[in-house]
Amino acid sequence: QKEVEQNSGPLSVPEGAIASLNCTYSDRGSQSFFWYRQYSGKSPELIMFIYSNGDKEDGRFTAQLNKASQYVSLLIRDSQPSDSATYLCAGQGGKLIFGQGTELSVKP
Amino acid sequence: EAQVTQNPRYLITVTGKKLTVTCSQNMNHEYMSWYRQDPGLGLRQIYYSMNVEVTDKGDVPEGYKVSRKEKRNFPLILESPSPNQTSLYFCASSPQGQETQYFGPGTRLLVL
Repeated sequence: QKEVEQNSGPLSVPEGAIASLNCTYSDRGSQSFFWYRQYSGKSPELIMFIYSNGDKEDGRFTAQLNKASQYVSLLIRDSQPSDSATYLCAGQGGKLIFGQGTELSVKP
Repeated sequence: EAQVTQNPRYLITVTGKKLTVTCSQNMNHEYMSWYRQDPGLGLRQIYYSMNVEVTDKGDVPEGYKVSRKEKRNFPLILESPSPNQTSLYFCASSPQGQETQYFGPGTRLLVL
């Protein structure tokens, strides 16, 4: 069974801090990785994707991929209360497999 | 407005009573998919479709049927719903493949 694992949290950080969300995957054939944000009661929305080893930055968000370690992370700099949501990691190697999500709470 | 719509948004039904959840997208996307989301289990794919008349099973297809007769529509059919199908269901579409999926608003289903 190909899996994507995330810490379920909740992860709590103070406003302005860096939030670090982590994800590991078992399928070495996975080529692409996605981070979705899901507010309570809402549908997931894509915030970043990454294909290559290394870092990819988009505003306050940085995705990191290490294929050798089968590890993906999402860093959120200057965290805001509006970032409070569940973050879903997904890996694609054929099928798209989602992790169970990490709940992030940013405290003012 | 580009969007994925689902109907109904909320549904309470009884065991064995056939139901259909509709999904429609206005973005001319080739790829559409159905997921269910359960606490602690994340999003699990039920069925997907790469194009009209092309459908395939996802990870949890048992108890579900789909059809793709038109590009914009991808209904999910529960022929004989059971309580273990109580869940939050999302339809999604993307231009091609499984990248950059756009999700519908979700359908919350309760099977008694």
